[in-house]
Amino acid sequence: GQNIDQPTEMTATEGAIVQINCTYQTSGFNGLFWYQQHAGEAPTFLSYNVLDGLEEKGRFSSFLSRSKGYSYLLLKELQMKDSASYLCAVDESGYGQNFVFGPGTRLSVLP
Amino acid sequence: GAGVSQSPSNKVTEKGKDVELRCDPISGHTALYWYRQRLGQGLEFLIYFQGNSAPDKSGLPSDRFSAERTGESVSTLTIQRTQQEDSAVYLCASSLTTSGGDNEQFFGPGTRLTVL
Repeated sequence: GQNIDQPTEMTATEGAIVQINCTYQTSGFNGLFWYQQHAGEAPTFLSYNVLDGLEEKGRFSSFLSRSKGYSYLLLKELQMKDSASYLCAVDESGYGQNFVFGPGTRLSVLP
Repeated sequence: GAGVSQSPSNKVTEKGKDVELRCDPISGHTALYWYRQRLGQGLEFLIYFQGNSAPDKSGLPSDRFSAERTGESVSTLTIQRTQQEDSAVYLCASSLTTSGGDNEQFFGPGTRLTVL
């Protein structure tokens, strides 16, 4: 079977750093994606990891450990506009058809 | 167009009626996905199209749901005899290829379906 777990909700303060974890158990693995989804809007792409290690992109970084089935999204210098849901998704097949989304983590950034 | 478009943006229908939702993917994107998202919940995979290959229908929740795609262009998702449980946002996404980071999915704005 397939299972992707994320914390349901997180709260952090403006200017702080927050780490959103994602663990997965899937029948295959060919890449992990993070998406951001603001309330009432469609998801937008943030990052992609297929090899172990850290990918940095501005204030956002994403880490992957394939042996542990674990990823995290790190958000630095939090801004109010970062309040959104963050979705972890695994491409099981590498051919696109087995693309599994986690339930998402709703992040609230407080002043 | 610059992005994925979907129509209608909102649809209110009566229980038992059929509805048709449309998705226009980004030009040149070979892969197209349909997802359902209920209020406050994650994305639920429905169906996937890749080029002219037979679609992966493994996520369709019942035989009331069907989808078509002509080549690498427009797709329609049809729900027959709608039920109140079908109320959700239906999201369409397309990706350039199906390998590696190029299968980043670009999402449309969604169609919000309300079944009364």
